[in-house]
Amino acid sequence: DTGVSQNPRHKITKRGQNVTFRCDPISEHNRLYWYRQTLGQGPEFLTYFQNEAQLEKSRLLSDRFSAERPKGSFSTLEIQRTEQGDSAMYLCASRWGGEAVNEQFFGPGTRLTVL
Amino acid sequence: AQSVTQLGSHVSVSEGALVLLRCNYSSSVPPYLFWYVQYPNQGLQLLLKYTSAATLVKGINGFEAEFKKSETSFHLTKPSAHMSDAAEYFCAVSLRGAAGNKLTFGGGTRVLVKP
Repeated sequence: DTGVSQNPRHKITKRGQNVTFRCDPISEHNRLYWYRQTLGQGPEFLTYFQNEAQLEKSRLLSDRFSAERPKGSFSTLEIQRTEQGDSAMYLCASRWGGEAVNEQFFGPGTRLTVL
Repeated sequence: AQSVTQLGSHVSVSEGALVLLRCNYSSSVPPYLFWYVQYPNQGLQLLLKYTSAATLVKGINGFEAEFKKSETSFHLTKPSAHMSDAAEYFCAVSLRGAAGNKLTFGGGTRVLVKP
């Protein structure tokens, strides 16, 4: 088990372009979370999946953002028509089970820079 | 709703000195509390968590934290700082029984260790 992986690690794009990030969780984990971290701030919750079902979305997740988790394995986060305000670190985390006490394991993140 | 406040965005300590990072939370129900550490260009790593089993929680790398309900605090300490402790530290809360069990983070405290 190599932990949570995210690709790409860095993405530079021009305003208006679409970008897609991928997260591969720890294999037996049924819950997957996306967070966004802007410079100098703590991570903020975006959305989460239980298996393939997307069960909650933050108000931060505008209609330009979409996330999927087909077959309950890896997940993708797509941002359409990127804006400079989308520049941030996008973190993925996974964990097992429904108990809040269970640790969320974080990936290394994808740093997005929108020019 | 829950929130987390970390007092002091930056802390500077001398090697060998006490590290004290402050965290106060607000929660409508008894929470679970976590401390995470983030090294540059890496994801978050769990240091320790409070699950109500004991108010004094010991974690990795010599860190510990004490839950004080009357003060709604969960401060993180380490008796003797090491150069490798230079990183950013995040306090987070998760509500028991809440759907999703997402984490709500504080703004973070960056620790600088002086030789």
